[in-house]
Amino acid sequence: QKEVEQDPGPLSVPEGAIVSLNCTYSNSAFQYFMWYRQYSRKGPELLMYTYSSGNKEDGRFTAQVDKSSKYISLFIRDSQPSDSATYLCAMSAFPGGGADGLTFGKGTHLIIQP
Amino acid sequence: KAGVTQTPRYLIKTRGQQVTLSCSPISGHRSVSWYQQTPGQGLQFLFEYFSETQRNKGNFPGRFSGRQFSNSRSEMNVSTLELGDSALYLCASRSGTGSPGELFFGEGSRLTVL
Repeated sequence: QKEVEQDPGPLSVPEGAIVSLNCTYSNSAFQYFMWYRQYSRKGPELLMYTYSSGNKEDGRFTAQVDKSSKYISLFIRDSQPSDSATYLCAMSAFPGGGADGLTFGKGTHLIIQP
Repeated sequence: KAGVTQTPRYLIKTRGQQVTLSCSPISGHRSVSWYQQTPGQGLQFLFEYFSETQRNKGNFPGRFSGRQFSNSRSEMNVSTLELGDSALYLCASRSGTGSPGELFFGEGSRLTVL
């Protein structure tokens, strides 16, 4: 079993829809959770950063962490074609990664249809 | 504020050669991490440097090495290149002083080994 599981997609939704992206993990030591967006041939861009359980909202993006279920989510409201990208979840037991660095999911390829 | 800068962006090498990649972190950031991204394995942690010292190292062979200079700029070196070393090499920086632990990535250096 991989430490972080993420559905690779592709996930295709119409413009304006609410998008839900998810990751599950097995390491209960993870406390720091991140979502990155990566456009083709670009580096990952940090979207959301959360510590421990709970919700965090930033504009059209909401991140949720449920440590009891080892499950994290990213919601995108009013999705736009420019949101089409690969979304990577990442997590760690220590700020910035620690001994093992950040552990990443494989990424979900999201397509927003105009 | 300038982001993380990586050079070169693209390079082609042949098996057995060695390569050096460079990374300039965000101004004021003292921690630099390196990751390898491949379609099969996703993002994997190589190492982290802080104040010119390697603080953490991932599970990669000794052919992969790095260093950090007094101005926080970092280089990584891969010797005796193998076909499997073809990947996007990503550098990430963070402030390195306690929380928060957000990592900010550069655009990457895409290495092709022939």
